[in-house]
Parts: sequence; C-alpha cells; structure tokens
Amino acid sequence: DQQVKQNSPSLSVQEGRISILNCDYTNSMFDYFLWYKKYPAEGPTFLISISSIKDKNEDGRFTVFLNKSAKHLSLHIVPSQPGDSAVYFCAASDPAKGNEKLTFGTGTRLTIIP
Amino acid sequence: DARVTQTPRDKVTEMGQEVTMRCQPILGHNTVFWYRQTMMQGLELLAYFRNRAPLDDSGMPKDRFSAEMPDATLATLKIQPSEPRDSAVYFCASGPGLAGTGELFFGEGSRLTVL
Repeated sequence: DQQVKQNSPSLSVQEGRISILNCDYTNSMFDYFLWYKKYPAEGPTFLISISSIKDKNEDGRFTVFLNKSAKHLSLHIVPSQPGDSAVYFCAASDPAKGNEKLTFGTGTRLTIIP
Repeated sequence: DARVTQTPRDKVTEMGQEVTMRCQPILGHNTVFWYRQTMMQGLELLAYFRNRAPLDDSGMPKDRFSAEMPDATLATLKIQPSEPRDSAVYFCASGPGLAGTGELFFGEGSRLTVL
C-alpha cells in the first residue's frame, strides 16, 4: 500500500525552463511534507518542506505547493539548472506516528538538458 | 561537519552469509532510522529507534533481519541468512526527534549485493 505516490519515474527538462515534480498521497492524517534530493552514490538530502497549514513555501528557486483537498503536492524548480539533475523523493509524516517518521514515495529522476 | 556515517559502503556476499551494516548517527540526534531503497518501493522504512528504543520495525522481515542500538553512537542492521532479494542500498538516517521539524539526515548508504 503506497501511501505516497510519485507517478512519474522520470522527467526531462531543458535548462532554464521550469521543472514540475508531482506527488500524491492517500493518508489524510499526513500533515507535514518534505522533498529530498538524491545524487548517485549519495544519501538523500533535505530540500524543502511544507506544513499542512500552508499552501505554498518558497526557498530560492524551489517552491512547494500543497493542495490538501486533492491530496497533492508539487515541487517547482525555476529556472532549472544542470546541477538539479537528481532523483527527487516526496515524503510525508503523520503526527499520530511521531513527526519524525517519514513515508517516502518512489522518486522521480529529473534530468536537466543543457 | 556533522554527518551520519555508514559502513560498509559496498558489500558483496554469497547467499546464506550473515551481513552486518553499521551506522553512527549525528551526535545529539535521538532518532535513528534504517531505510532500504528499491526501484519498486522507493525508500522503504525498515526500523526506527528513539532514544535507542525500537519503536517500529514493522517493515522488516523478522525472520532474517534484526536491528539494534547497542549505544547512542552505534546502530546495526543484521541480515542472517542473506538472500539475493536483499540486494539493495540500505540507508541509515538520524534526526533530532520530536523537537525537530521532521527533517532527517541520511548517510551515504551501504550497497549490498547478495549472489
């Protein structure tokens, strides 16, 4: 039972354009959402997060949008740069299980084309 | 430079052998997680400790996997006996616990290949 779903295994975007990565969740108890970025042969690193009391959080080129009614969040990267090529994981936490326990999606491999 | 340290980075072993992976969490973090990365499941939670006490190991095959924290600076994940389907990258992560924002810090992973 995949509670966090990333339906696009891969995405290719031209350098300078906007990259949009999508994530859907099924557990309505999730109230905190994070995006992690992973380069080959490295561990995932935290990128950006959003609480369910917000619908948008921005950090430089990265913006996360949350639509609670649709149980959907997205990560926007603009402008996309070659260094953004990586696997992006969406994650969510359920306060009933402790905020630090994260449920991850299967990841989306983003390739930025120079 | 605080980081999570995992050993070994790479392990190739034969089916039936015991495998032990080790993790040193970031000093001061009181939660430790073991995740396994697979193509189908993404990052799959295997076990979770808070203040060295196991809180959730429901994602772990109990008959062959075991996870422990002998002390605050060491977490171990053991597979005995190993099987080819255990081949994956195993990540350890630590976090500041309930006082934090939910962000976890991951090690570089242990790539296991079981022949």
